[in-house]
Amino acid sequence: KAGVTQTPRYLIKTRGQQVTLSCSPISGHRSVSWYQQTPGQGLQFLFEYFSETQRNKGNFPGRFSGRQFSNSRSEMNVSTLELGDSALYLCASSPPSQTQYFGPGTRLLVL
Amino acid sequence: DQQVKQNSPSLSVQEGRISILNCDYTNSMFDYFLWYKKYPAEGPTFLISISSIKDKNEDGRFTVFLNKSAKHLSLHIVPSQPGDSAVYFCAASGRNNNDMRFGAGTRLTVKP
Repeated sequence: KAGVTQTPRYLIKTRGQQVTLSCSPISGHRSVSWYQQTPGQGLQFLFEYFSETQRNKGNFPGRFSGRQFSNSRSEMNVSTLELGDSALYLCASSPPSQTQYFGPGTRLLVL
Repeated sequence: DQQVKQNSPSLSVQEGRISILNCDYTNSMFDYFLWYKKYPAEGPTFLISISSIKDKNEDGRFTVFLNKSAKHLSLHIVPSQPGDSAVYFCAASGRNNNDMRFGAGTRLTVKP
C-alpha cells in the first residue's frame, strides 16, 4: 500500500504571498490531519478533516485554512505569508483507529 | 498551550544500555498515547501506543509505561542500538478524537 504523499516537498515563498500544499492519504483512510513543525515547538496541530468536513481545529490564525475532497485528498492554504510561517508542514492520515501515518512533509521557507 | 511536554530536548546513551524517554501531560481527558520516531527529512513514524486502561504495553525492545495519577508516560528502549538515534515525539489524544497533541520531541543519540 502506498504511503501518505505530500507535494511539493520544498517551497520558497516571499512574505505576503500565499501557498497551497497538497496531501494524498493512504488509500482507504478518510481522516487527514495537518501539523506544523518548527524547531523547539514540536508538532502543532492545525486541523483535521474527515469526509470533506473539518472536524477539529488547532490554535492557528484564519490565514491557515484547508479542505478535503471526495477522494480524501486534502489541501492546506496559507495566505499572507509571514516569516514565522517557515516550517515543515506534515500531513497524516488515519484509519478508524487513532494511529496516524505521516507523509514526508513539505518544507516551506518564507523570505 | 503545551498540554504535552517532553522536558528533555536530548538524551545520549551507550549502545546496549537502556534509553528512557519521558513525557508529561496536563489534560486528564487524554485517552490514548503514542510515541513516534522521526528521522531527518522524513515524517514521523508510529512506534508504539497505549490506551488509558493499561499501564504498560510492550513491543519487542520498546515498552511504554503510563502512570495516569502522575499524568506521566515513558518509553523504554532496551537494548538501545545506534539505529535508534532519532527524535522521539510523545503524543496524546482524547477518545474518538483525532486532535492529537504532540510534545516538542527528545533527540536520542545512541553511541556505538
